[in-house]
Amino acid sequence: AQSVTQLDSQVPVFEEAPVELRCNYSSSVSVYLFWYVQYPNQGLQLLLKYLSGSTLVKGINGFEAEFNKSQTSFHLRKPSVHISDTAEYFCAVRLSGYSTLTFGKGTMLLVSP
Amino acid sequence: DVKVTQSSRYLVKRTGEKVFLECVQDMDHENMFWYRQDPGLGLRLIYFSYDVKMKEKGDIPEGYSVSREKKERFSLILESASTNQTSMYLCASSPHPGLAGVGEQYFGPGTRLTVT
Repeated sequence: AQSVTQLDSQVPVFEEAPVELRCNYSSSVSVYLFWYVQYPNQGLQLLLKYLSGSTLVKGINGFEAEFNKSQTSFHLRKPSVHISDTAEYFCAVRLSGYSTLTFGKGTMLLVSP
Repeated sequence: DVKVTQSSRYLVKRTGEKVFLECVQDMDHENMFWYRQDPGLGLRLIYFSYDVKMKEKGDIPEGYSVSREKKERFSLILESASTNQTSMYLCASSPHPGLAGVGEQYFGPGTRLTVT
């Protein structure tokens, strides 16, 4: 069975600083990878997804993620964060041939002025 | 844009009551999902459905049942609500992987259920 580990439950950062949210997964078969964002009192919104091909994936709101197969990682990055990026971020994996997603436990990004 | 709607944003019920949470999607997606979200535990899959009248148990189905009579609607039922079912409930839908896209899920706004 696959699993997803988000190594940090909270990441505090100052506005305009760069940030990296870490995600590692375990699976022996092909996977699709996703990052979702959840703003307070809202549902989850897709930030970006890795399907195949280029390992660097660009998403909405200036976020990007890099797929590293050898390290089974899919870390999310943004070069300069805004206060409005304060939210919870979830990494998720879907096995090829399956419909369900397995989610990590989430990382709360706290951006302060 | 895909739209997933949930019948209530906030709901307060008493222990032992039967509770219905409704979810509707407008994109003709084959798959629909119910999750509960608790602090520190992330999202946990309760049930999902890949077709009308079809359902599969997720990771935590105990105490819940589901119904899918129409493609666009997926209901979560708490037969006898208990305080440990106080949580945020999220519904999602997705196309079947391979038919359209890669099966990314689209989420509703969530229902925060409190059982007293």
